[in-house]
Amino acid sequence: DSGVTQTPKHLITATGQRVTLRCSPRSGDLSVYWYQQSLDQGLQFLIQYYNGEERAKGNILERFSAQQFPDLHSELNLSSLELGDSALYFCASTRGPLNTGELFFGEGSRLTVL
Amino acid sequence: LAKTTQPISMDSYEGQEVNITCSHNNIATNDYITWYQQFPSQGPRFIIQGYKTKVTNEVASLFIPADRKSSTLSLPRVSLSDTAVYYCLVGDVNAGGTSYGKLTFGQGTILTVHP
Repeated sequence: DSGVTQTPKHLITATGQRVTLRCSPRSGDLSVYWYQQSLDQGLQFLIQYYNGEERAKGNILERFSAQQFPDLHSELNLSSLELGDSALYFCASTRGPLNTGELFFGEGSRLTVL
Repeated sequence: LAKTTQPISMDSYEGQEVNITCSHNNIATNDYITWYQQFPSQGPRFIIQGYKTKVTNEVASLFIPADRKSSTLSLPRVSLSDTAVYYCLVGDVNAGGTSYGKLTFGQGTILTVHP
């Protein structure tokens, strides 16, 4: 158990819909990272937050947004969903703002868009 | 960010030592090498990290030659439970977090351990 909690574990929805994925980092961790893993794209970095502020941005679509709240949990919002958005979405956390390489990942949220 | 190349898949048998090599020809002076393990439908798990020579922990060893253009993850006496995908990442852990934080894990190496 990494200490990172993600909900929901599974989500099935239809194209055009909007979903919110939630992540609670390890106790004491201030940085949260979001990754998308699909069969043909590997594990892609989406965005990082540190202590409520956006820290780094990867290949995140404009239809996607995220935020980190004062209690340090984070939410990833996916809107106008397309079939290609079906993937595993992982959240990871670290203590500080720097990713020193030891990321702690949650179990992921599996999104299926029909 | 340094590009890495790993074998797509490897097969081994229980009790054998497995060595997975990662090539990173354009590794930069400040780059560290980190390996992760991922089981199906689970998040990646940190295995080991190193800068040069050899690093060993309770689960693996990491060998890095002097030119640092490659690295080898060594798993001693593998078991069926070591069947997983192994990722090699290279990046500057001290680069303000922004460049390293953007690392993409790539396709990794699928290790299959047979009875």
